[in-house]
Amino acid sequence: QVQLQESGPGLVKPSETLSLTCAVSGYSISSGYYWGWIRQPPGKGLEWIGSIYHSGSTYYNPSLKSRVTISVDTSKNQFSLKLSSVTAADTAVYYCARLNTAMVRYWYFDLWGRGTLVTVSS
Amino acid sequence: SSELTQDPAVSVALGQTVRITCQGDSLRSYYASWYQQKPGQAPVLVIYGKNNRPSGIPDRFSGSSSGNTASLTITGAQAEDEADYYCNSRDSSGNHFGMVFGGGTKLTVL
Repeated sequence: QVQLQESGPGLVKPSETLSLTCAVSGYSISSGYYWGWIRQPPGKGLEWIGSIYHSGSTYYNPSLKSRVTISVDTSKNQFSLKLSSVTAADTAVYYCARLNTAMVRYWYFDLWGRGTLVTVSS
Repeated sequence: SSELTQDPAVSVALGQTVRITCQGDSLRSYYASWYQQKPGQAPVLVIYGKNNRPSGIPDRFSGSSSGNTASLTITGAQAEDEADYYCNSRDSSGNHFGMVFGGGTKLTVL
């Protein structure tokens, strides 16, 4: 059974860098799939942050691209998110998820972590 | 990047049929996927591709698509279907490796 688990600080100060890790169990990241980060501000909708392939290829939301870095550590079977220069607007529940890209006409997030709330406040 | 538009809220009487729609240019090229999210929980995939349901999703959930509009239909809505529903697809702008979500539809079962 494949499971994803987010971890990281729940409180980050403004202007600092948010760092989260997603540990994958039950499946080897090196075997394939894209892996992604999605966030949801309190009371609002979902926003795709970016995706990474096990080889390290990354794709980012253009609105966040200048501040986002997603990386993968296959030895630890995990991938990570860094978001720099955070403000209160970055307060959200952050989810990691597996992105299924088997079919060209449709991609979808088939497995999700439980999410972790990150609050940006001094 | 592309945008997907959903009605903010929809209601349905218990046992009746409801359709939740999602509009956007990317849907002319790509199928939508649909996610159900209940309060305090992570989203759960309910429909992907032309009309595919993951294991464990009841067959009262179905999907369809026409032009720039994708639809999620719940036939015989149950009280436990009350939730937020989000559509999602590949982004047809730029390099097509991006993903885009709709703003979500809050479904109330009366």
